[in-house]
Amino acid sequence: EAQVTQNPRYLITVTGKKLTVTCSQNMNHEYMSWYRQDPGLGLRQIYYSMNVEVTDKGDVPEGYKVSRKEKRNFPLILESPSPNQTSLYFCASSFEGPTEQFFGPGTRLTVL
Amino acid sequence: QKEVEQNSGPLSVPEGAIASLNCTYSDRGSQSFFWYRQYSGKSPELIMFIYSNGDKEDGRFTAQLNKASQYVSLLIRDSQPSDSATYLCAVNPPRGTYKYIFGTGTRLKVLA
Repeated sequence: EAQVTQNPRYLITVTGKKLTVTCSQNMNHEYMSWYRQDPGLGLRQIYYSMNVEVTDKGDVPEGYKVSRKEKRNFPLILESPSPNQTSLYFCASSFEGPTEQFFGPGTRLTVL
Repeated sequence: QKEVEQNSGPLSVPEGAIASLNCTYSDRGSQSFFWYRQYSGKSPELIMFIYSNGDKEDGRFTAQLNKASQYVSLLIRDSQPSDSATYLCAVNPPRGTYKYIFGTGTRLKVLA
């Protein structure tokens, strides 16, 4: 089944404890992206990747890191999480940007 | 001015009516336009995309693009209670960038 998977789906952590949210797609897509969704602010793009080893900032990259070492994986790293990073995070992929994106199921992160 | 604007709603329509959802964007050079549907607690899923001025129809859905006036709309004919969701408009800015800018979404309620 063609899909985008994210892990974990739910995470509660404390300020400053490094964490990684994984994202993987099995559709051989070139383009991958991370978003956060907050009430009243909608979906905001954090980082995106056009291909392996090619990444660029979206609109809200501060406090986040990404890497794209393999085509199928695009992990999101929070080196020192803070409470303002509490949000719902979505990973998405598309055959190539900018075309239709397929979204993962989401990761709900709470930083205490 | 926000880059992509949508009325947050809720937009309430009776079952069987036409629902009209609107989106305006600020960057005149924007190239690609997408409508996603998001059910509560779920990830966004693509409904339609449109690149050229005019109308594009797919089943009960019609996307309309007017680049001169910088708006894109989504019409849902014969609205069903199952169409009740939040509809997100997404825009890809001018050629050479690979960002997606999402509106905050319009919540649609179809009343049985």
